[in-house]
Amino acid sequence: NAGVTQTPKFQVLKTGQSMTLQCAQDMNHEYMSWYRQDPGMGLRLIHYSVGAGITDQGEVPNGYNVSRSTTEDFPLRLLSAAPSQTSVYFCASGGLGRGHTEAFFGQGTRLTVV
Amino acid sequence: QQQVKQSPQSLIVQKGGISIINCAYENTAFDYFPWYQQFPGKGPALLIAIRPDVSEKKEGRFTISFNKSAKQFSLHIMDSQPGDSATYFCAASIGGSQGNLIFGKGTKLSVKP
Repeated sequence: NAGVTQTPKFQVLKTGQSMTLQCAQDMNHEYMSWYRQDPGMGLRLIHYSVGAGITDQGEVPNGYNVSRSTTEDFPLRLLSAAPSQTSVYFCASGGLGRGHTEAFFGQGTRLTVV
Repeated sequence: QQQVKQSPQSLIVQKGGISIINCAYENTAFDYFPWYQQFPGKGPALLIAIRPDVSEKKEGRFTISFNKSAKQFSLHIMDSQPGDSATYFCAASIGGSQGNLIFGKGTKLSVKP
């Protein structure tokens, strides 16, 4: 199993450009989430999904869009990139139910907006 | 308002010593408290987790202590090793979910040989 796969690993964008960060999981997990990690700020939840067709906002959703058309994929879209969105982005997935106790994280996408 | 407060920001411990990281939360609806470990350039990985129906959970050298009345929980790393050098995050969620975790700001642990 590949687990949680994020692409690209690195990206440089110019202010105002748009792009999509890809996330795919092969564990048939219901939950998928996007976090951003900034120095001294920990990980902050951007958006999450509990299943195909269902998404919800986290702590810092502004400037980001998501959709969940399949169980496996959960792309994160930046419509008009801003320097404040320079960060490391992590996608995570996990199963539903009390027996599932772990969120599995991808390796991250380091995004720089200039 | 920060929902999960973590301290200290950084910690230096000698090999063989005990590392202690503390977290406090405000929302009494939180019912799942995991700790994640992150090495440079990698994604976080679950280390150990606890639910509020127990006061302590131990897995190998790692122990979570949970104080429901004080709304605090802590990670203890016994016999700390240089390989434990990493950033540690506490987190909390509602409904036992790992899909929408609220993280602390992290503690960078360095274990000196």
